[in-house]
Amino acid sequence: RKEVEQDPGPFNVPEGATVAFNCTYSNSASQSFFWYRQDCRKEPKLLMSVYSSGNEDGRFTAQLNRASQYISLLIRDSKLSDSATYLCVVTSGGYNKLIFGAGTRLAVHP
Amino acid sequence: SAVISQKPSRDICQRGTSLTIQCQVDSQVTMMFWYRQQPGQSLTLIATANQGSEATYESGFVIDKFPISRPNLTFSTLTVSNMSPEDSSIYLCSVETALLAGGLQQFFGPGTRLTVL
Repeated sequence: RKEVEQDPGPFNVPEGATVAFNCTYSNSASQSFFWYRQDCRKEPKLLMSVYSSGNEDGRFTAQLNRASQYISLLIRDSKLSDSATYLCVVTSGGYNKLIFGAGTRLAVHP
Repeated sequence: SAVISQKPSRDICQRGTSLTIQCQVDSQVTMMFWYRQQPGQSLTLIATANQGSEATYESGFVIDKFPISRPNLTFSTLTVSNMSPEDSSIYLCSVETALLAGGLQQFFGPGTRLTVL
């Protein structure tokens, strides 16, 4: 079983749609959780950290359920510029080693 | 945030040769990491490089194949030795910095795209 599992997609949605990505992780000792965004042929960039209480940044909302070891990302009012691969990331080990999911591809069309 | 540069940005190499990738950061950082992203896949950590100590390698990666240097707090190199086509990948360095709001964050360099013929 992979340490971090995501639906690979692709998710093809029209502009303005709301889309949700899910992620599960296997290590119950994981301490920190993130969503990264990776554009084609670019490096990953941090989109947002994920906190137990849930957090929101503009059109993006992240949720964490530690009991179910489940993380989600909700994107409202999708823009063409949201098209990218979204990587679910958790930490493992004493030195904040990042474990990446395989990513979920999002394609927003006009 | 940290600004990270990598050299070369891309290279095409013959099998059996070695390539050294450089990673430069615009500020002093304790933790630096080297990742590999093979075509169509996500990132896998190769090793953690701390200044003043030997790199710590992840399972499946060894020092003879991927020697790492960390001579100071702003610079690191990764060498891909005795290359084979299976080493064709994007190699990325990252650094860990503290967030003002607390916690730690990793920033990634732009990557080095390696093709081995």
